[in-house]
Amino acid sequence: AQKVTQAQTEISVVEKEDVTLDCVYETRDTTYYLFWYKQPPSGELVFLIRRNSFDEQNEISGRYSWNFQKSTSSFNFTITASQVVDSAVYFCARSPNNAGNMLTFGGGTRLMVKP
Amino acid sequence: DTGVSQDPRHKITKRGQNVTFRCDPISEHNRLYWYRQTLGQGPEFLTYFQNEAQLEKSRLLSDRFSAERPKGSFSTLEIQRTEQGDSAMYLCASRGSSYEQYFGPGTRLTVT
Repeated sequence: AQKVTQAQTEISVVEKEDVTLDCVYETRDTTYYLFWYKQPPSGELVFLIRRNSFDEQNEISGRYSWNFQKSTSSFNFTITASQVVDSAVYFCARSPNNAGNMLTFGGGTRLMVKP
Repeated sequence: DTGVSQDPRHKITKRGQNVTFRCDPISEHNRLYWYRQTLGQGPEFLTYFQNEAQLEKSRLLSDRFSAERPKGSFSTLEIQRTEQGDSAMYLCASRGSSYEQYFGPGTRLTVT
């Protein structure tokens, strides 16, 4: 199986600190997609970003930024100036570039932001 | 824009009973997915529909599980003869022409 690994199971920071969530993936595919989802305490998975394997340009959206490094098979997620509302479990996922695009998820990182 | 909805949100059943869950995808989405998430883990793929055709099934989907999407709109997931190991959150997602899957709130199943 082509795994997605999130080595950090839990991270605790104080509000306004920056935090980076790591994601490493395995793939035999030439092209594929990478994703980040947020799962707040309410339980619903919220889509954050999709990245195509052929586009290594990093992306910034407000306080969120993503660093895609194809050479190291990593797709890390940084939250700048964290807020209490960022507390959630964050999942990294990968899908092949085919009609089905079934997602393979990592185990998740629980982020706790303390006031 | 209505998101993905799932019913029921919670289900408690006794071992050996049958249960059925429903998923209503985003209206214009032709692809529908079922995933299962156990406590402290990431979701795991179960099965996938494009319109009414079930195109992929995971080996996690034992013969006690069956899923349908009869008219290419809503989908049902049935578990027969439930076991305690079936206790999990069952998530439905849908996708249109882009590659993002949008998830519903899930159905939490507890088998006692």
